[in-house]
Amino acid sequence: EAGVAQSPRYKIIEKRQSVAFWCNPISGHATLYWYQQILGQGPKLLIQFQNNGVVDDSQLPKDRFSAERLKGVDSTLKIQPAKLEDSAVYLCASSSSGRAPGELFFGEGSRLTVL
Amino acid sequence: GENVEQHPSTLSVQEGDSAVIKCTYSDSASNYFPWYKQELGKRPQLIIDIRSNVGEKKDQRIAVTLNKTAKHFSLHITETQPEDSAVYFCAAESPGKLIFGQGTELSVKP
Repeated sequence: EAGVAQSPRYKIIEKRQSVAFWCNPISGHATLYWYQQILGQGPKLLIQFQNNGVVDDSQLPKDRFSAERLKGVDSTLKIQPAKLEDSAVYLCASSSSGRAPGELFFGEGSRLTVL
Repeated sequence: GENVEQHPSTLSVQEGDSAVIKCTYSDSASNYFPWYKQELGKRPQLIIDIRSNVGEKKDQRIAVTLNKTAKHFSLHITETQPEDSAVYFCAAESPGKLIFGQGTELSVKP
């Protein structure tokens, strides 16, 4: 089966610019997550969707980050304006387990460098 | 909310030795504890998980133990091989989402 697809793989921007990341989860997976992984740290959950509804966005910096999952399939994560500390790998993951977590399937990630 | 502490942050072993990575968690309601392996530049992948109704689970050279009373769980890798070199993350469920530890970089020297 096809895995979780993410794009772009790499992005370099200046601070205060905007950027958007796209994720296509495994077909049929209702739950989609965006994690931020700063170099040398564990993944930190930004937002969790169940179908096209937000389950948890308590760690999402809403003044600059936004995410949507239209039609309950693909998702986009946007940062505007970017700050230096947003430099990280943004991992998308999906799960078929609904609200109770089971195995998360991660994409390859989108590496963001903010200069 | 849930907090997961993982140690050590780095671990170096000789090929064939055992490696142990430990995690503690704060939320006594957590019931699911997976371990992920992340090779350099690649995606994290699940290697083993355990639910709170068992104390130990084994899969070939890897095993996980869980002590719910003490709120800690551990990953054990026996007969380590160079291909085991990677960053390992523990995680705990809280609820409906996974909270990850900081990671342990394991280096297996041939």
